Amino acid sequence: GAVVSQHPSRVICKSGTSVKIECRSLDFQATTMFWYRQFPKQSLMLMATSNEGSKATYEQGVEKDKFLINHASLTLSTLTVTSAHPEDSSFYICSARDSRGWEKLFFGSGTQLSVL
Amino acid sequence: AQRVTQPEKLLSVFKGAPVELKCNYSYSGSPELFWYVQYSRQRLQLLLRHISRESIKGFTADLNKGETSFHLKKPFAQEEDSAMYYCALSDSLSGGYNKLIFGAGTRLAVHP
Repeated sequence: GAVVSQHPSRVICKSGTSVKIECRSLDFQATTMFWYRQFPKQSLMLMATSNEGSKATYEQGVEKDKFLINHASLTLSTLTVTSAHPEDSSFYICSARDSRGWEKLFFGSGTQLSVL
Repeated sequence: AQRVTQPEKLLSVFKGAPVELKCNYSYSGSPELFWYVQYSRQRLQLLLRHISRESIKGFTADLNKGETSFHLKKPFAQEEDSAMYYCALSDSLSGGYNKLIFGAGTRLAVHP
């Protein structure tokens, strides 16, 4: 089946540094990618939606200058956490879909970000 | 506001017992609902969606618009069903684009 590759799976960084997370669709063209954040034992909270070649649409309360999303190609989207702080520590998950509908939505394996 | 509610954080049953994971939603339009499953150390994957009206791995879910519910059911639980289950709603009314809203999830634990 279709696969979404997300890297890195785990990253530890110092406060004030920036971290980039990549999300790739391996065998389909992802016209739309979604970025979620998940706190321990809580649900997935949608952060932003990105369509290839256009600016990402952020959910209310998500700082777009803090969480930079780039969807430059049909197979790659990146999330950059800029000037990370300990409160940004979380599990980040990407998902991607093509134009055929929600049954063709696939999830990455997630990235655990720990900011010291 | 569009919302998905899963009232139970944990559902613990014995093998062979019936299972019902509850999901209620709040949505202004015509809802499209899904169940996703996450097995241990694996990524989220689609289990079923109400449009297809299918049974996957013995699970079924019926959309009840009167009760605004989409409960997931299985008559006889198996140990391999132990996982985290998320109910999700496709929201096309908020912000002019389509997105998925997830419930908080229910952990199903099936004991031998």
